[in-house]
Amino acid sequence: DAGVIQSPRHEVTEMGQEVTLRCKPISGHDYLFWYRQTMMRGLELLIYFNNNVPIDDSGMPEDRFSAKMPNASFSTLKIQPSEPRDSAVYFCASSGPEGGYTFGSGTRLTVV
Amino acid sequence: KQEVTQIPAALSVPEGENLVLNCSFTDSAIYNLQWFRQDPGKGLTSLLLIQSSQREQTSGRLNASLDKSSGRSTLYIAASQPGDSATYLCAVEHPTNAGKSTFGDGTTLTVKP
Repeated sequence: DAGVIQSPRHEVTEMGQEVTLRCKPISGHDYLFWYRQTMMRGLELLIYFNNNVPIDDSGMPEDRFSAKMPNASFSTLKIQPSEPRDSAVYFCASSGPEGGYTFGSGTRLTVV
Repeated sequence: KQEVTQIPAALSVPEGENLVLNCSFTDSAIYNLQWFRQDPGKGLTSLLLIQSSQREQTSGRLNASLDKSSGRSTLYIAASQPGDSATYLCAVEHPTNAGKSTFGDGTTLTVKP
């Protein structure tokens, strides 16, 4: 398996623009997680899904953030409109029956 | 609410030294505990996963132990190398809140040549 695949690796956008981050989990994994990492706040859980259903979105900072998982092999995290304080590294991770997380390489988002 | 603490936040050692990184958690009812490594500007790489029923796991120069009763895990690195320099994070998965883990803030290790 190629692991958890995230795209794009880097994203630079202007304030107010819509940003969409993408994630392909490991085949057979039934949990998918979106995290945000910054120097100030460390690793924050934004939302996670089980069998494509959102379980806990209490970490989503504002209504500007939304996440979807239309099928077992794809998820998106959307920010609309984006703001400079959204600049961070966004990670996707998946987990399967054996437990433990596998992380993607992350998307480094810069909002100018 | 589970809380995970990693002390110290930073550690510097000379090359070749054996070292121990610590991870403490407040709720001993866990599903598993996982150690990760993160290099600057990179993602988290899984090092070792210890299931609740296990006491330790080994991979190469790494050995992780788990003591649920005391709420502690240690990551032992033998014969440290400069390439081991990174931030090490532990994460505890909850048995009742299935799939969701609580992460520590990490220990940043520097191994000096």
